[in-house]
Amino acid sequence: DTAVSQTPKYLVTQMGNDKSIKCEQNLGHDTMYWYKQDSKKFLKIMFSYNNKELIINETVPNRFSPKSPDKAHLNLHINSLELGDSAVYFCASRPTGGDTEAFFGQGTRLTVV
Amino acid sequence: AQRVTQPEKLLSVFKGAPVELKCNYSYSGSPELFWYVQYSRQRLQLLLRHISRESIKGFTADLNKGETSFHLKKPFAQEEDSAMYYCALAPSGSARQLTFGSGTQLTVLP
Repeated sequence: DTAVSQTPKYLVTQMGNDKSIKCEQNLGHDTMYWYKQDSKKFLKIMFSYNNKELIINETVPNRFSPKSPDKAHLNLHINSLELGDSAVYFCASRPTGGDTEAFFGQGTRLTVV
Repeated sequence: AQRVTQPEKLLSVFKGAPVELKCNYSYSGSPELFWYVQYSRQRLQLLLRHISRESIKGFTADLNKGETSFHLKKPFAQEEDSAMYYCALAPSGSARQLTFGSGTQLTVLP
């Protein structure tokens, strides 16, 4: 009954491949996020999405694209993977509005070789 | 644009000593401030939020609008407090952007 779950937990792949990371939340939240945590533990927002509006961090390469089949899912698709994409990717969800807590997935450690 | 700054990347204190993790923010409107903690190889979890004015695990944080700060404090650090701490900001009444600082790695030495 995990609130926010990501799959896979670990992903090792070669440069140039296309991969997806899945995220599901069972909290009924309206807004979901993707964050990238680099080797220095810096946490950078990539996308926020609330079924009406997608906000993209302008520094995110367009090789990255979020896909939301429904309100409970926000998957991250990455094309033409590069070495610099290696990081831990966290999905999170939060209710819209108010002083509310964001719930995080356990993270996906992506290694590009 | 909203921004969160945590000036200390690493912070080490001895067990029983006071600890303060600094957080400064810039935002033109009325922000909501949070502290999140990430223990080793675990997911991020909320530690506390400014609006609730509560103390969690002995930690407190006061929002100082004049200094645009939201420093996290604990009078007596414990070894189990060793973790990565992130300060975060969200525009009031909106979940659109939840922006994190770069984090401070706290190590409490025995």
